[in-house]
Amino acid sequence: AQSVTQLGSHVSVSEGALVLLRCNYSSSVPPYLFWYVQYPNQGLQLLLKYTTGATLVKGINGFEAEFKKSETSFHLTKPSAHMSDAAEYFCAVSAYLTNTGNQFYFGTGTSLTVIP
Amino acid sequence: NAGVTQTPKFQVLKTGQSMTLQCAQDMNHEYMSWYRQDPGMGLRLIHYSVGAGITDQGEVPNGYNVSRSTTEDFPLRLLSAAPSQTSVYFCASRNLRTSGGTEAFFGQGTRLTVV
Repeated sequence: AQSVTQLGSHVSVSEGALVLLRCNYSSSVPPYLFWYVQYPNQGLQLLLKYTTGATLVKGINGFEAEFKKSETSFHLTKPSAHMSDAAEYFCAVSAYLTNTGNQFYFGTGTSLTVIP
Repeated sequence: NAGVTQTPKFQVLKTGQSMTLQCAQDMNHEYMSWYRQDPGMGLRLIHYSVGAGITDQGEVPNGYNVSRSTTEDFPLRLLSAAPSQTSVYFCASRNLRTSGGTEAFFGQGTRLTVV
């Protein structure tokens, strides 16, 4: 079974400060990991994903995440926050389990506020 | 390329009414799914389909029906709306033919209020 835990339902950072959003996963098989962003009244947009290979993954808008198997983590970071980064962020895990398709399991989300 | 299209964007229902939320994708994806999003609970899977004629239940299927007669369309039916079904509903699709963990593409959501 797969599951995701996002620590901190609300995170506030100052503009220009480091953004760190935490995600820990549980998976009985090698996972595929994703970060999505949701702006107000919009759908979810993919930020980045880890499937195989390099454990440091770069995404859109300057975000990156590192897959750490030993820590079962996939934290999202950005060196310098912009006002436009204010949104809801979701971590998700999937794994190819059966030929009926691989399900996504989402965390409960982290709302990021950027303070000017 | 429209991607995943959901209609309507907003809907108000009275308790006991029925309605259908529409979802269509133009990416020829085999996999389609419906989620509901509630505050503090993330996205929960309602129903999913891995191809035309094949559907299955997710985490919270009660009160909802689905069908998949074509690859493109995956409507979600509320049989008898209840206030507990007030939520934002998202449709998503994925390409299952590509190996390596493909991402889900989401529609813009339907905000449903049941009074």
